[in-house]
Amino acid sequence: QKEVEQDPGPLSVPEGAIVSLNCTYSNSAFQYFMWYRQYSRKGPELLMYTYSSGNKEDGRFTAQVDKSSKYISLFIRDSQPSDSATYLCAMSLNTNAGKSTFGDGTTLTVKP
Amino acid sequence: NAGVTQTPKFRVLKTGQSMTLLCAQDMNHEYMYWYRQDPGMGLRLIHYSVGEGTTAKGEVPDGYNVSRLKKQNFLLGLESAAPSQTSVYFCASSSAYYGYTFGSGTRLTVV
Repeated sequence: QKEVEQDPGPLSVPEGAIVSLNCTYSNSAFQYFMWYRQYSRKGPELLMYTYSSGNKEDGRFTAQVDKSSKYISLFIRDSQPSDSATYLCAMSLNTNAGKSTFGDGTTLTVKP
Repeated sequence: NAGVTQTPKFRVLKTGQSMTLLCAQDMNHEYMYWYRQDPGMGLRLIHYSVGEGTTAKGEVPDGYNVSRLKKQNFLLGLESAAPSQTSVYFCASSSAYYGYTFGSGTRLTVV
């Protein structure tokens, strides 16, 4: 079983919808949680970076971490066609001195 | 503001040939990583480095070697390419307390 599980989708929503992307993990030692967005044939780019439990908001994006349930989420409000991409969750131990563990990604399509 | 630069962007190799993928970062990051991305398998860590002159094995190191002689550069070598190494290769760098900055990738086909 993988340390980080992510629903691969694909997920298709109409423009303006609220999108919820989720990951579960098994290693309770993870402290740092990230979301990356990857457009087709491009490298992943960092969207959100959070430490420990709680919520973090950045514009239309909200990252939520529930360490008690080993569950993280990314919410996208007022989704746009430009949000169509693959979203990867990632998590790491105490620092980046080592490596992050990535989910396999969820592919999202936002239809106009 | 280049970030992470990978060369080449595309390459076709014949089985048994060797090549080196180059990664350069201009953000003074301590940590650098090489990943491969394959359909249905996500990002898999090949090798990584926590500082100049240091390297460590990741999840799938077999068939690859790396070197980090300078802080800004991380080289990935394939000594004898195999069709199983057909993939998209991403280099990334980071500081200790933030996420990764990825390069744009190298698409490698081994025939």
